[in-house]
Amino acid sequence: AQTVTQSQPEMSVQEAETVTLSCTYDTSENNYYLFWYKQPPSRQMILVIRQEAYKQQNATENRFSVNFQKAAKSFSLKISDSQLGDTAMYFCAYGADGLTFGKGTHLIIQP
Amino acid sequence: DTAVSQTPKYLVTQMGNDKSIKCEQNLGHDTMYWYKQDSKKFLKIMFSYNNKELIINETVPNRFSPKSPDKAHLNLHINSLELGDSAVYFCASSQGWGIGNTIYFGEGSWLTVV
Repeated sequence: AQTVTQSQPEMSVQEAETVTLSCTYDTSENNYYLFWYKQPPSRQMILVIRQEAYKQQNATENRFSVNFQKAAKSFSLKISDSQLGDTAMYFCAYGADGLTFGKGTHLIIQP
Repeated sequence: DTAVSQTPKYLVTQMGNDKSIKCEQNLGHDTMYWYKQDSKKFLKIMFSYNNKELIINETVPNRFSPKSPDKAHLNLHINSLELGDSAVYFCASSQGWGIGNTIYFGEGSWLTVV
């Protein structure tokens, strides 16, 4: 079975700083997808970014980018120029048959 | 237009009652899901339907029964509610089943059992 580990329960940074959220996973599969979802206080689950395992190029979406290290089974999320609205829970997820989620990192952006 | 919509958004009910949560998606997707988020915010899949057929049924008490009348709808019925059922229940959908399909979530239904 696949597992996803997020080792940082909570992080806090100042507005405009860059922050990196860690995620590792375990799988015996070679083809899969990885995702980061954001959950603000409203509880809505919002897709931030996704990465295809067979692509070496790291995915980017505006201020959000990933560092995907397939051999190390690592998939970290970098948020550049952080904004107050980035305050949320961030979940890393492994996608094959449905999604397997990590326990989340609560990110707080301080003004 | 909300892509994946669930009702009700909030539900407070007594132990022992039976309740349903309805879900509809207007994305034209073939696959729908129910996820449960517990008090520690851990998200776990409960059920998945593809083209109205059940394809994932995780270890969930049989008090929980999903029903998919058509591809656009997946309802969740819960019998004999217990305190431990208190959670946020998310409906979700994806274009298809399997690798590469991005899953889109509804806004969640916050169930409190008292």
